[in-house]
Amino acid sequence: SQKIEQNSEALNIQEGKTATLTCNYTNYSPAYLQWYRQDPGRGPVFLLLIRENEKEKRKERLKVTFDTTLKQSLFHITASQPADSATYLCALERNNRLAFGKGNQVVVIP
Amino acid sequence: EAGVAQSPRYKIIEKRQSVAFWCNPISGHATLYWYQQILGQGPKLLIQFQNNGVVDDSQLPKDRFSAERLKGVDSTLKIQPAKLEDSAVYLCASSSFYGRTGSTDTQYFGPGTRLTVL
Repeated sequence: SQKIEQNSEALNIQEGKTATLTCNYTNYSPAYLQWYRQDPGRGPVFLLLIRENEKEKRKERLKVTFDTTLKQSLFHITASQPADSATYLCALERNNRLAFGKGNQVVVIP
Repeated sequence: EAGVAQSPRYKIIEKRQSVAFWCNPISGHATLYWYQQILGQGPKLLIQFQNNGVVDDSQLPKDRFSAERLKGVDSTLKIQPAKLEDSAVYLCASSSFYGRTGSTDTQYFGPGTRLTVL
């Protein structure tokens, strides 16, 4: 069965540094991979989407890479700020159906 | 642009009782989704509607869960009877995806309804 793995341990990072999160998956061939941010008590908010034939995507301080051979995506937040503290979810998409990982909490320390 | 609205925000019920959640998607969005998010997990898709038709309900426990989207706008999700393991946040999302193969569109999520079953 398909599996989507994100690190269960929270990532504590100093303000200004780059936070890097990993999303690994098995038994799945997504057409797209998406990253969402979720704050406590709120629904997920879409951040970035990368297609299966794309290697890298950037948006402001965010960067996503996608390696379909390794079945892995990396999500980077550069120059991290305390306001970036949240849980980040990766989601695999095929036929407009999303399958989410458990999420990875990021804590940016001032 | 108004976001996805959900109500109630919180609900506490006893096991074996019934409960219903309501969702109003972003105006004009053809596709509506209900997700279940258990504490510490990512959201799990329960059902996907396109207009008022069901596209995917393969993960909906149909013995106790039901959902409808009359007139292709608002939607309700019902649980009857509830079990302890149904305690979760129920998220509604919508998108302007209209079913074209190979395409996609951003999903916009509501704030969710937190259900506690005692």
